[in-house]
Amino acid sequence: AQSVTQLGSHVSVSEGALVLLRCNYSSSVPPYLFWYVQYPNQGLQLLLKYTSAATLVKGINGFEAEFKKSETSFHLTKPSAHMSDAAEYFCAVRVSGNTGKLIFGQGTTLQVKP
Amino acid sequence: EAGVVQSPRYKIIEKKQPVAFWCNPISGHNTLYWYLQNLGQGPELLIRYENEEAVDDSQLPKDRFSAERLKGVDSTLKIQPAELGDSAVYLCASSLRGGPNEQFFGPGTRLTVL
Repeated sequence: AQSVTQLGSHVSVSEGALVLLRCNYSSSVPPYLFWYVQYPNQGLQLLLKYTSAATLVKGINGFEAEFKKSETSFHLTKPSAHMSDAAEYFCAVRVSGNTGKLIFGQGTTLQVKP
Repeated sequence: EAGVVQSPRYKIIEKKQPVAFWCNPISGHNTLYWYLQNLGQGPELLIRYENEEAVDDSQLPKDRFSAERLKGVDSTLKIQPAELGDSAVYLCASSLRGGPNEQFFGPGTRLTVL
């Protein structure tokens, strides 16, 4: 069975600092992996996705993530945090087969301090 | 292009009352999902539709929850009767069928059961 673990339920950074949100996955087959962002009282918005092409994936708003099979990780990074990046971030893995089902991690709240 | 529309955005009811949530997916999206998001958690799939057929409802508590997607477009999720533990955000998402297609999420309905 596939699963996702996000390390750290809360991450706090200063504006302009590096953002690193950690995600580890468990999958017996090559996974499809996703990062979503959720702003307060809004739905989830896709930041980026890994679909077995390039291991370094670039997304919207300056975010990127690197797929590392050896570490079963898909960490999300951004070189310089903006105040507007404060939100909840979810890592997700797509269940194998043509199901479309996503399994989400518990989420990480990113706080950006001025 | 209009996004996924959900209504109502907020609903407060007393326990044992019925409640219904409505979702209008993005035009042309065959696949529709209902997710449950508890506070501080990632979304969990309740049911997935391919057109008007419910192809995965294994996580739907069928004793009190029901859903329908007549004509393969709009969908309604119903709870009857509601319990205190049903307080959560109910998210609707839609996607094109097949592959690692992005799921587009609506803003959700926040249900409070008193």
